[in-house]
Amino acid sequence: RKEVEQDPGPFNVPEGATVAFNCTYSNSASQSFFWYRQDCRKEPKLLMSVYSSGNEDGRFTAQLNRASQYISLLIRDSKLSDSATYLCAVTPGNTPLVFGKGTRLSVIA
Amino acid sequence: DGGITQSPKYLFRKEGQNVTLSCEQNLNHDAMYWYRQDPGQGLRLIYYSQIVNDFQKGDIAEGYSVSREKKESFPLTVTSAQKNPTAFYLCASSSSLAGVVDTQYFGPGTRLTVL
Repeated sequence: RKEVEQDPGPFNVPEGATVAFNCTYSNSASQSFFWYRQDCRKEPKLLMSVYSSGNEDGRFTAQLNRASQYISLLIRDSKLSDSATYLCAVTPGNTPLVFGKGTRLSVIA
Repeated sequence: DGGITQSPKYLFRKEGQNVTLSCEQNLNHDAMYWYRQDPGQGLRLIYYSQIVNDFQKGDIAEGYSVSREKKESFPLTVTSAQKNPTAFYLCASSSSLAGVVDTQYFGPGTRLTVL
């Protein structure tokens, strides 16, 4: 089983839709969790950290489910500018982040 | 401006040549990393360094070498031993690997093409 897995998509959604991505991880000792956004041919940029209690930043909500070993990202009221690849990253600590392959989102007018 | 710089942005080399990719950060970060990304693929760790004059192999270190003589610099050499070097190379840094890992921040990347 791969360490970090994501549905590659693409997810094609209309503007204004709500879309959710999941990311499963295999290492139960994982402590730190992040979502990154990567635009085409650019570097990944941090979107948000994922805390145990869940956290929200505007239209974006991240949640952690330790029991089932997955993190999720919910995007509400999708904008055209949200079109990108979303990467999850996980680490147990004291080791570099392990990244999923990413989920591609296309928001359509 | 604080950040991570990588140069060059695009690099072309002939098969059999070694090439060195530059990565500099002025964030005062202790840890630095090199990743490789192929089309439609995730990031794969090549090497990382937690402190000056120390570095560890990642998942795909074969055919690559690094040095960490200064805190702010972590150059990557792609040697002729690397079988498929054409890829997008990303350098990253974080404040520390100790304890809970701080967020990694990425440079703009170098796109290497071997002709």
